[in-house]
Amino acid sequence: KAGVTQTPRYLIKTRGQQVTLSCSPISGHRSVSWYQQTPGQGLQFLFEYFSETQRNKGNFPGRFSGRQFSNSRSEMNVSTLELGDSALYLCASSSGGPLEAFFGQGTRLTVV
Amino acid sequence: SQKIEQNSEALNIQEGKTATLTCNYTNYSPAYLQWYRQDPGRGPVFLLLIRENEKEKRKERLKVTFDTTLKQSLFHITASQPADSATYLCAATGSGGGADGLTFGKGTHLIIQP
Repeated sequence: KAGVTQTPRYLIKTRGQQVTLSCSPISGHRSVSWYQQTPGQGLQFLFEYFSETQRNKGNFPGRFSGRQFSNSRSEMNVSTLELGDSALYLCASSSGGPLEAFFGQGTRLTVV
Repeated sequence: SQKIEQNSEALNIQEGKTATLTCNYTNYSPAYLQWYRQDPGRGPVFLLLIRENEKEKRKERLKVTFDTTLKQSLFHITASQPADSATYLCAATGSGGGADGLTFGKGTHLIIQP
């Protein structure tokens, strides 16, 4: 079956702009989580959605938001981009139980 | 705050030997520990999950242990091969399962030398 698909793969944005990233989970998976990965901080949890509801949120400012659609596809949005938002953004899906998360290849965001 | 620590230095192992990676956790009592493999430019790939009431789990050449007294998990790759070279990430979560999100260590870069 098809894996987790993230689009776009690469993105360059200017400070102050906003960006929307997309994630299509594995068919049948209802849980989608988002992570930010940087060399300094490693992988950090952003938020998790299950059946269109945000169940948990990591320690990130309100500029980071997300949503999930009825078909389980998810988007995350970052507004008022800062240089420090440059990172690899990873989406993971699971069936909702523990916990074997399947990750996409990520979106590499560069803020200039 | 809860912390997952892995040895940040690269681990060099000769082909055929057993590689052992360490994951320590503090200020935390995770219900589950997981190990992932990440290759450059790619997302992590799930390898093994172990529950707090399990001492050991095996899958082919992989073995993971969970010691709640030492607050530590060990990940072993036996009969290591150059293709096992990658970064290995330890991740923990609480009893809420996926809803809690995963807390990751920063990973250990494993190099298997032929």
